[in-house]
Amino acid sequence: AQKVTQAQTEISVVEKEDVTLDCVYETRDTTYYLFWYKQPPSGELVFLIRRNSFDEQNEISGRYSWNFQKSTSSFNFTITASQVVDSAVYFCASSYNFNKFYFGSGTKLNVKP
Amino acid sequence: DAGVIQSPRHEVTEMGQEVTLRCKPISGHDYLFWYRQTMMRGLELLIYFNNNVPIDDSGMPEDRFSAKMPNASFSTLKIQPSEPRDSAVYFCASSSKTQGPSNEKLFFGSGTQLSVL
Repeated sequence: AQKVTQAQTEISVVEKEDVTLDCVYETRDTTYYLFWYKQPPSGELVFLIRRNSFDEQNEISGRYSWNFQKSTSSFNFTITASQVVDSAVYFCASSYNFNKFYFGSGTKLNVKP
Repeated sequence: DAGVIQSPRHEVTEMGQEVTLRCKPISGHDYLFWYRQTMMRGLELLIYFNNNVPIDDSGMPEDRFSAKMPNASFSTLKIQPSEPRDSAVYFCASSSKTQGPSNEKLFFGSGTQLSVL
């Protein structure tokens, strides 16, 4: 089985600060996939990114960036110049076959104006 | 595409009553998942279907819970009788392994907020 750990339960920052959300995963599979989802206060779960285990290239999408390091089994998520609209709970997840998805417990991000 | 559609958005019921949650997956998706989210336990997988067949229901809490998928475009999660501890947000999600990488992820519905009094 796989396991995903998000050690940060809650983070508070002031707008325009950079913030990194940590995600550590455990797996014995050589092929696996990692995901980040955002859950804003409205409650829906919004897909942010999918990454496969063979692609360690970091990805940047606007103010969002992801750092995937197999050596440390981490898939961290950084928001640059945070905004109040970034306030949400963020979930990291893993899957090796798209049948079972293993979710972390989530990190609640509070961005204050 | 309309996305995954769940109904109702909110359900308030009294203990002992039957509750039925509904889900319409994205057209063409062959996997359907039911999740429950609570503060204490986070996101829990209850059951998932592949091509309308239940594959793993080990997450279903007890016999009071049942799920069906009579066809590719509809699934239900039923709780009978309901109890206050069933209060949670129930999410339906769908995905596909045959429609390319863009579908190899969970697409979630908006969820049903269930309150059992």
